[in-house]
Amino acid sequence: SYELTQPPSVSVSPGQTASITCSGDELGNKYVSWYQQKAGQSPVLVIYEDTKRPSGIPERFSGSSSGNTATLTLRGTQNMDEADYFCQAWDRTSAIFGGGTKLTVL
Amino acid sequence: EVQLVESGGGLVQPGGSLRLACVGSGFFFSSYGISWVRQAPGKGLEWVAVISGTGGTSYSADSVRGRFTISRDKSRRTVYLQMDSLRAGDTAIYFCARHPSVDASNYFDFWGQGTQVTVSS
Repeated sequence: SYELTQPPSVSVSPGQTASITCSGDELGNKYVSWYQQKAGQSPVLVIYEDTKRPSGIPERFSGSSSGNTATLTLRGTQNMDEADYFCQAWDRTSAIFGGGTKLTVL
Repeated sequence: EVQLVESGGGLVQPGGSLRLACVGSGFFFSSYGISWVRQAPGKGLEWVAVISGTGGTSYSADSVRGRFTISRDKSRRTVYLQMDSLRAGDTAIYFCARHPSVDASNYFDFWGQGTQVTVSS
């Protein structure tokens, strides 16, 4: 079965840049979306179709994809960005989520 | 305002059944696919099942196929998840999530608040 791999945790200082990766076979041939989930809340879409940002999502969130890896980048990270982040793609008729990355803003 | 509201969760014994419901408002319900996604305690997100906006196409994860059935009622603006032969491993918060188009093979643009399902004797 298809798998998406994310690092379990990433740490960043306020105001710095955080990058969260998501890797999978031939991932570059699939659209990747990213979700932010704060403690006790529902997930929120922050990036879709690799690079697009929904309305209301701050410009500091950006996405990219190349080869077998997609990346979520947060520039000028703020304390409010501390959350779990999940990547997601479709493999044939199944939606697949990465295991999630806990972003800690120190 | 787009809203998805789940209901129907609760405590059930192993082998039992539950039916979850997801009511949509603030958008033309039949134009959007809906998925169920679950999250076990302290774990990540796991996709469960999807149904297209017309209800004509549906798919489910290997882990629930043959036990869970997704359906929708256009008149009630509701998507259901019938869960049978429940196991302890099905214990999770169940979210419904909207896809941005009728065919539902893409991202999830809005999520409900979730409903808790606990399978235990």
